[in-house]
Amino acid sequence: AQTVTQSQPEMSVQEAETVTLSCTYDTSESNYYLFWYKQPPSRQMILVIRQEAYKQQNATENRFSVNFQKAAKSFSLKISDSQLGDTAMYFCAFILYNFNKFYFGSGTKLNVKP
Amino acid sequence: GAGVSQSPSNKVTEKGKDVELRCDPISGHTALYWYRQSLGQGLEFLIYFQGNSAPDKSGLPSDRFSAERTGGSVSTLTIQRTQQEDSAVYLCASSLTVISTDTQYFGPGTRLTVL
Repeated sequence: AQTVTQSQPEMSVQEAETVTLSCTYDTSESNYYLFWYKQPPSRQMILVIRQEAYKQQNATENRFSVNFQKAAKSFSLKISDSQLGDTAMYFCAFILYNFNKFYFGSGTKLNVKP
Repeated sequence: GAGVSQSPSNKVTEKGKDVELRCDPISGHTALYWYRQSLGQGLEFLIYFQGNSAPDKSGLPSDRFSAERTGGSVSTLTIQRTQQEDSAVYLCASSLTVISTDTQYFGPGTRLTVL
């Protein structure tokens, strides 16, 4: 079975500081893709960052970076220089290679405080 | 259109009634996906379409749920004899192809409330 666990239901961070959101997953497959999605109050899911499991180098997108530990099945998201617009629910997800079904975690609500 | 659109934005219905939720994918996207997001939960996969066919219906929770897609574009998710546990946000996504590496673009969802 494929599962995703986000153990932090809610987090807060001061504006301009750095925060790390945790995610662990479980799969017996070796080829997959990992994602972090952001869902603001508008409900629109927005792709933040993605990582191919076969790549050892951690993905980065501007202020967002991941720490991917394949052996530990861990995929954390680091947000640097947090901004008020980063306030949202963040979902960790993965999709198996050659399959089209996303497996999502239950989300972490991030509140960036001014 | 510029993005995935869904209608209605919100739907309140009485237990036992049928509802139809609509999704308009990004023009040219061949793959379309339906997810359900219950309160405080992540997204639960329901079904996906490749063109007008649905290779994977494994996520549909019961036979009260059905979906169709016509013309390789608009999709409708129908829930018959709605129950209170059907209350959730129903999200639709589309991607250019069904290749798993293609980014899925999500719509704003339909919030369904069953009284």
